[in-house]
Amino acid sequence: NAGVTQTPKFQVLKTGQSMTLQCAQDMNHNSMYWYRQDPGMGLRLIYYSASEGTTDKGEVPNGYNVSRLNKREFSLRLESAAPSQTSVYFCASRGARSLGTDTQYFGPGTRLTVL
Amino acid sequence: AQSVTQLGSHVSVSEGALVLLRCNYSSSVPPYLFWYVQYPNQGLQLLLKYTSAATLVKGINGFEAEFKKSETSFHLTKPSAHMSDAAEYFCAVSAGGSYIPTFGRGTSLIVHP
Repeated sequence: NAGVTQTPKFQVLKTGQSMTLQCAQDMNHNSMYWYRQDPGMGLRLIYYSASEGTTDKGEVPNGYNVSRLNKREFSLRLESAAPSQTSVYFCASRGARSLGTDTQYFGPGTRLTVL
Repeated sequence: AQSVTQLGSHVSVSEGALVLLRCNYSSSVPPYLFWYVQYPNQGLQLLLKYTSAATLVKGINGFEAEFKKSETSFHLTKPSAHMSDAAEYFCAVSAGGSYIPTFGRGTSLIVHP
């Protein structure tokens, strides 16, 4: 199993450009998450999807949109990138507690710089 | 509501010394508690978790943590630090096992030879 994969690993954008960060998991997990990590701030939740077909805002959703394409894939879109969105972005997935798989598994991250 | 506070953004120890990383939580319902480790340029990896079973939880790489309800704490310890333990450590709380954990700001563990 590849676990949680993210593409791209690195990206540099200019202010105002748009891009989509891709995330996929092969563990048949219901829940998926997007976080951003900034120095000294820990992980902050941007959006999450408790199950296929549903998405909800997290702590810092402004400037982002998400799509839960199917059970495996959860993408994060920046419509008009701003320098404040320079960060490391992590995708995570989580299974069902009833199945004993309620731990979050994280991808390797996407390092985004907005100039 | 749930929150977690990690005391100390940096902890420095000598190789072979005790490692103690502090985490205090706040939760209105019985919490699930987690410790994650992040090595440079990698994602987070679960070290251990508490889900209302035994209060002393053993994890990978020789780490363990004890849930103390009276102190609302879940400190991470390791008897003897190794150079390979140098990393960022995150404590997280999930109230009643909700879908949405809250993460602390992280503690960077520095291990000196």
